Amino acid sequence: DTGVSQDPRHKITKRGQNVTFRCDPISEHNRLYWYRQTLGQGPEFLTYFQNEAQLEKSRLLSDRFSAERPKGSFSTLEIQRTEQGDSAMYLCASSLATSGRGTDTQYFGPGTRLTVL
Amino acid sequence: AQTVTQSQPEMSVQEAETVTLSCTYDTSESDYYLFWYKQPPSRQMILVIRQEAYKQQNATENRFSVNFQKAAKSFSLKISDSQLGDAAMYFCAYRIQGAQKLVFGQGTRLTINP
Repeated sequence: DTGVSQDPRHKITKRGQNVTFRCDPISEHNRLYWYRQTLGQGPEFLTYFQNEAQLEKSRLLSDRFSAERPKGSFSTLEIQRTEQGDSAMYLCASSLATSGRGTDTQYFGPGTRLTVL
Repeated sequence: AQTVTQSQPEMSVQEAETVTLSCTYDTSESDYYLFWYKQPPSRQMILVIRQEAYKQQNATENRFSVNFQKAAKSFSLKISDSQLGDAAMYFCAYRIQGAQKLVFGQGTRLTINP
């Protein structure tokens, strides 16, 4: 079990550029989540997948944001036409959905820190 | 809307002492989960402890325990015998049964003084 990994760990970009982040969940975890964390705040939910299906999206996920999980394994989060307000830590988490009450635990990756100049 | 409030932006404690971090939440749901996550500096967030709302017994994990007051919508974390490695941001979080998203508080930065 190598844990949730994210790439890159840091990204600096200029306003207006597109960026893409990758998340590799813990193997066999069927749920994958994206959160955004700004400085001094707790993470905010963006979206989640069960296998390849995107089942919930937050209002925070504007039209410039798109997330995919094409084969139910890794996921990508793309931000188009970045703005300075997009500067944040983008966290990925994964969990294994179980039957019953659904008490699966979300395991977090180290995050990708985005700085938009 | 569900909200989670951590009223202590920063806390400090002497090594080996006990510290309690506060958390309150607002919800109209009756079936939900509460969590405390720890985020060490420049490291990833890890789960410290979890409480299911339908269970009256407070959860414990070694030196970590919670005081869950459902009627008061309060969920505090007690760390006993504080260690230097406990220094981190601590986030309280909430999740409705059947939903997947975690709702986090603003966090409490815990400093351990040697």
